Parts: sequence; structure tokens; C-alpha cells
Amino acid sequence: DIQMTQSPSTLSASVGDRVTITCRASQSIISWLAWYQKKPGKAPKVLIYKASTLESGVPSRFSGSGSGTEFTLTITSLQPDDFATYYCQQYHSYPLAFGGGTQVEIK
Amino acid sequence: EVQLVESGGGLVQPGGFLRLACAASGFTFSSYPMSWVRQAPGKGLEWVSAIRESGDSTYYADSVKGRFTISRDNSKNTLYLQMNSLRVEDTAVYYCAKHRGEAVADHWGQGTLVTVSS
Repeated sequence: DIQMTQSPSTLSASVGDRVTITCRASQSIISWLAWYQKKPGKAPKVLIYKASTLESGVPSRFSGSGSGTEFTLTITSLQPDDFATYYCQQYHSYPLAFGGGTQVEIK
Repeated sequence: EVQLVESGGGLVQPGGFLRLACAASGFTFSSYPMSWVRQAPGKGLEWVSAIRESGDSTYYADSVKGRFTISRDNSKNTLYLQMNSLRVEDTAVYYCAKHRGEAVADHWGQGTLVTVSS
């Protein structure tokens, strides 16, 4: 089974900051990686799929990169609405797997 | 507009069972794979199970294999999760999610809370 590891687990940042979250897969998943945003009491929302493709309607300040086993989610100019927890998810093969999450909190 | 509405959650004793349902509308249900994903209190997202469009293939996380069964009724546009031999650690909000085609969850329900406690 493929394991996903995210870092950091918590990140303190200010509005306007550039933020980078890393996700590592235990084996190559090529580019079969998605990023989700999760807020308390709300359903998750897909931001990025196929490692770098922006979901329709998602602001362009979100971007994804990487392939193989190393991936990053970058938020340029963090906005108040972006304070949330972010998860990567591999969909190269079943069982699907999420990373442990990165909570982006206000500094 | 895609809508996914979960039901069937509640309080159950360890060893008990529950059946969750997810009513889908706003898209051709029979054309898309579906998943269940859960989030335990204070924890991260955990993928639980998935089912192909026709229901002929199903997949499970190791943590629920042999205890949970995913199914779908395409005539009723409904996804199910039969949960048996429930454990305290199954306590979570359970979300149903529609896959885009590949296993990217592009629409989610609002979730239903399952509490396993004596």
C-alpha cells in the first residue's frame, strides 16, 4: 500500500505570505495526486488534481507541482479565507490514501 | 447542481452495526465511481471504501476490510455503507464523495456522524 507523508503538520503564517506544503509518497505515483482544503464543519474541497491542474473555480494563487514521490502545494499571497487544513491524496492505486494534513493557522 | 446527502449516522454500541446511505442528485449517478471518506474527531481524513460505476468492483481500507461493505443502487441513485462489528475507533464523520472519473473526489456530501460508544 502507498503511504503519504505531509510536512509540516502545522504552519503559522500571515496574510500575504507565500506558503509551501510538501507531500511525499512511499513509492512513485507518477502525477496521480490531488490536494484538498478542509475547514471545520465543512466538506473537503478539491483544489488541484493530477499534481498541478487547478480545479475549476479555484483561485490562481493556488498551485501544485511535482511528480514521482515528491509534491508541493504553494499558496502565493495567503488570504484570510485560506486558513484551513490541507490534505494530499494519492489516486495511483487502491487503497487510496490521504496525507496526515497540514493546518495553516494565523501567525 | 450536484447534491450528495448522507443519512443513517447515530450512536451505536461497540460490536453493533449501522447502514449509511448517500442520496445523489444533479448528475448521472450510474456513470461515476463513489467513495466513503471519514474524519475522526481531531484527526485527518481517512479514505474508507470505493465502488466502481456498475458496482462490480469494490475497494476497502485495511482498517475496515471484512467489517464494512460498500454498495450502490443505481436505480435509486443511492450509495450505501453497511458497517458491522463497529469499534470505538470507527467514531467519525462519514462523507460520501463522487469521483471525477479518476479517483479525485470532486463533490462531497456534508457528512453524517457515527458515534460508537457504550
